[in-house]
Amino acid sequence: DSGVTQTPKHLITATGQRVTLRCSPRSGDLSVYWYQQSLDQGLQFLIQYYNGEERAKGNILERFSAQQFPDLHSELNLSSLELGDSALYFCASSVGPSEGDIQYFGAGTRLSVL
Amino acid sequence: DAKTTQPTSMDCAEGRAANLPCNHSTISGNEYVYWYRQIHSQGPQYIIHGLKNNETNEMASLIITEDRKSSTLILPHATLRDTAVYYCIVRGFFSGGYNKLIFGAGTRLAVHP
Repeated sequence: DSGVTQTPKHLITATGQRVTLRCSPRSGDLSVYWYQQSLDQGLQFLIQYYNGEERAKGNILERFSAQQFPDLHSELNLSSLELGDSALYFCASSVGPSEGDIQYFGAGTRLSVL
Repeated sequence: DAKTTQPTSMDCAEGRAANLPCNHSTISGNEYVYWYRQIHSQGPQYIIHGLKNNETNEMASLIITEDRKSSTLILPHATLRDTAVYYCIVRGFFSGGYNKLIFGAGTRLAVHP
C-alpha cells in the first residue's frame, strides 16, 4: 500500500459526459501528479500540483482540468468525454516538488467511456 | 532527460536472480537512473535509484557501469509476484523544476515456476 488513495476504482460513463477523479496523497506529501495510461500511449504525465498551485503541465487536453485543495487532496475533471479517453488514470504524490522527490502511485481509476 | 533502451521482454525462473538491463548512452553528469515497476494494471511502484555508485535496498540492487552508459537492476531471488513491467527512467535533478516521470515501454519480466 503506497498510502495514496484514489477514488473511484472504476468509472463507466457515456460520451459527452463529465467525471471527477479524486486523489488523496500520502500523509505529509505536498505534491500531487496525474498520469494517464492508455493501451496505445503508455503512461503519460498530465499535470503536477504543489501545495495548491499548478507546477507543471504535460500533454493534458483542454477538456481536462485539475486542482489541489487546501487539504492537499486533488481532483482531475474530465469533460466532454470521448471514447479515446478510456484509460487508467493514476495519481502520485511526493514530499516536495523537486526532481529528486520519489513519487508514490495510487492504485488508479479505470475509466471506461461507452 | 536522457533516452533509455530496454529489452521488450525477459523470462526468469523462480528463485533465480533476474537481471534487467538498461542502456542510457546519452546520460549526462547530473542525471540519475530510476527504476519503477508495474504489476498488472496496478500503480507503478518505486524500486530504487542511483547516480554512479551501486545501490541496494530491500527490493533490489542497481549496478551502474563506470561510464554510466548502462545499468542493471537485479532482483536477487525472483518470485512469481515479481512478474511485472519494469521501467528504467533517467532524469536530472535540475531539469527545470519539473518532477514528471517519462515512462518508456519498459521490460516485461515473466517469472515462471
